[in-house]
Amino acid sequence: AQSVAQPEDQVNVAEGNPLTVKCTYSVSGNPYLFWYVQYPNRGLQFLLKYITGDNLVKGSYGFEAEFNKSQTSFHLKKPSALVSDSALYFCAVRRDNQGGKLIFGQGTELSVKP
Amino acid sequence: ETGVTQTPRHLVMGMTNKKSLKCEQHLGHNAMYWYKQSAKKPLELMFVYNFKEQTENNSVPSRFSPECPNSSHLFLHLHTLQPEDSALYLCASSLGGEQFFGPGTRLTVL
Repeated sequence: AQSVAQPEDQVNVAEGNPLTVKCTYSVSGNPYLFWYVQYPNRGLQFLLKYITGDNLVKGSYGFEAEFNKSQTSFHLKKPSALVSDSALYFCAVRRDNQGGKLIFGQGTELSVKP
Repeated sequence: ETGVTQTPRHLVMGMTNKKSLKCEQHLGHNAMYWYKQSAKKPLELMFVYNFKEQTENNSVPSRFSPECPNSSHLFLHLHTLQPEDSALYLCASSLGGEQFFGPGTRLTVL
């Protein structure tokens, strides 16, 4: 069975500091991995994805994520956090030979303080 | 804007009412999805449609009835809902890769 775990319900970071939001996954076969962000009262916005190729993936708003096959992780990172990055972040996975169905993690609330 | 629209954005209904949620995309996507997002819970996939055919129903109660007349439109018909059905209902579409989400309908059942 496929699953995604985001071990932290909340992450607190000071503005200007680097941030990391953790994600680990379990899937048979090759994983397709995604990060989404949700601002209050809005739908989810796509940030970035890993399909194949370089393990470091760059996405929107200065975010990047590193695929680590041995640790089955896909942590989201940003070198310098902004207050406007405060939102709910979701990691998602699907198998490479499956249709569009995604399995989402439970979400991590990121709070960036000035 | 993601190219996926949902109406209405907010809906308040009684348990005996019948209402419908609408989702629309003109991105050329062939798959559409309904999700339920409740407070303190992960996203729950409800239904999946591929090329207008329902390919997944995640044990959703029959008081939720989806309809997909074409690849661009998706409806969720609601009747005799319960207060615990109050949530944000999100629609998404995809072309096999990442999903694009609408802004959601905030549903309150009294």
